[in-house]
Amino acid sequence: DIQMTQSPSSLSASVGDRVTITCRASQNISKYLNWYQQKPGKAPKVLMYVASTLQSGVPSRFSGSGSGTDFTLTISSLQPEDFATYYCQQSNRSPRTFGQGTKVEIK
Amino acid sequence: EVQLVESGGGLVQPGGSLRLSCAASGFTFSSYWMSWVRQAPGKGLEWVANIKQDGSEKYYVDSVKGRFTISRENANNSLYLQMHSLRAEDTAVYYCARDAPWGSGWAFDYWGQGTLVTVSS
Repeated sequence: DIQMTQSPSSLSASVGDRVTITCRASQNISKYLNWYQQKPGKAPKVLMYVASTLQSGVPSRFSGSGSGTDFTLTISSLQPEDFATYYCQQSNRSPRTFGQGTKVEIK
Repeated sequence: EVQLVESGGGLVQPGGSLRLSCAASGFTFSSYWMSWVRQAPGKGLEWVANIKQDGSEKYYVDSVKGRFTISRENANNSLYLQMHSLRAEDTAVYYCARDAPWGSGWAFDYWGQGTLVTVSS
């Protein structure tokens, strides 16, 4: 199975900060990396497809990059509604594995 | 509007069985792969199983192979997960998710609200 490792596991940031989350795959997954946002008690919501394609309706302050084994999710200016847990997930090979999550908390 | 509504969760003893259902609406159910994804309390997400549009292909994570069966009824826009020989480590919120192609990749683009399965004596 492809292992997905996110860093950091958690971070504290202030409104307006630039935040970067990284995701590393244990083998080459090309561009087949998705990002999800999950708020407490809610289902995950997809933010980004194939590493850098923003889902419709997702604010442009979110961006993604990377290919192969190393990927990043960047929030250019953190907003109050962005405090949540973020997961990466590879769709290159079954089983579709997720990273362990990065919790973004208010500083 | 796409909607996925899970039901069937509850408390079950170790070794017991449970059948989860997911009612889909707002899209052509028979045109999409569908998945179950679970999340243990306070933990991350784990894909469990998926099924092709016509039910002819099914895939499972190793930890549930031989114990769980995914199925669907396209006429009723319904997805199911039959779970047998349940273990404490199967305790989780189980989400039904639409498994959609996106830019030559795949993503879970719509999710239900989840149903909690608790395996405990």
